[in-house]
Amino acid sequence: AQSVSQHNHHVILSEAASLELGCNYSYGGTVNLFWYVQYPGQHLQLLLKYFSGDPLVKGIKGFEAEFIKSKFSFNLRKPSVQWSDTAEYFCAVNPLGNEKLTFGTGTRLTIIP
Amino acid sequence: NAGVMQNPRHLVRRRGQEARLRCSPMKGHSHVYWYRQLPEEGLKFMVYLQKENIIDESGMPKERFSAEFPKEGPSILRIQQVVRGDSAAYFCASSPRQGTADTQYFGPGTRLTVL
Repeated sequence: AQSVSQHNHHVILSEAASLELGCNYSYGGTVNLFWYVQYPGQHLQLLLKYFSGDPLVKGIKGFEAEFIKSKFSFNLRKPSVQWSDTAEYFCAVNPLGNEKLTFGTGTRLTIIP
Repeated sequence: NAGVMQNPRHLVRRRGQEARLRCSPMKGHSHVYWYRQLPEEGLKFMVYLQKENIIDESGMPKERFSAEFPKEGPSILRIQQVVRGDSAAYFCASSPRQGTADTQYFGPGTRLTVL
């Protein structure tokens, strides 16, 4: 069975700092990869997704993620964070042909003004 | 354009009672997924349904939990004889069709508290 690891449980940054959140998965086959964000009091929203093609994926609000197949990683990045990026971020995968998403435990991001 | 709707948003039950959680998918979506998020954990898949069919229930506890998605009306996740360990956030997601190229869109969740 596949699994997803998010090693950073809580990240605290100042505004304008650069962000990188780690995501590693374990699965030997082809996968689709997702980053979801949950702002305080709101539901999960899709930030970006990777299905195939260019391994560098750009999402909403200036976020991007890079799929590195050899490292089984799909790290999320943003060059300059804002206070409004305070949220919980979830990495998720689903193997090709499997409908269910497997989520990581999430990373809580706090941005200090 | 309404997104995925879930109700109630908050539900309090005493041990032994039944909990019924409802999910209305986005317009045009015929696939529904239920996930559970226990405190301090990520979302865990429970069940995947299409209209009138359970496609994958590999994540459902063997007892007390059931799900349905009737031809008309919302999908229902039913928990009988709730216990304190059932306290969690239950999220529903929907997608328009089968196929892993599709994105699942999530509802706001139902937070179940069992006293």
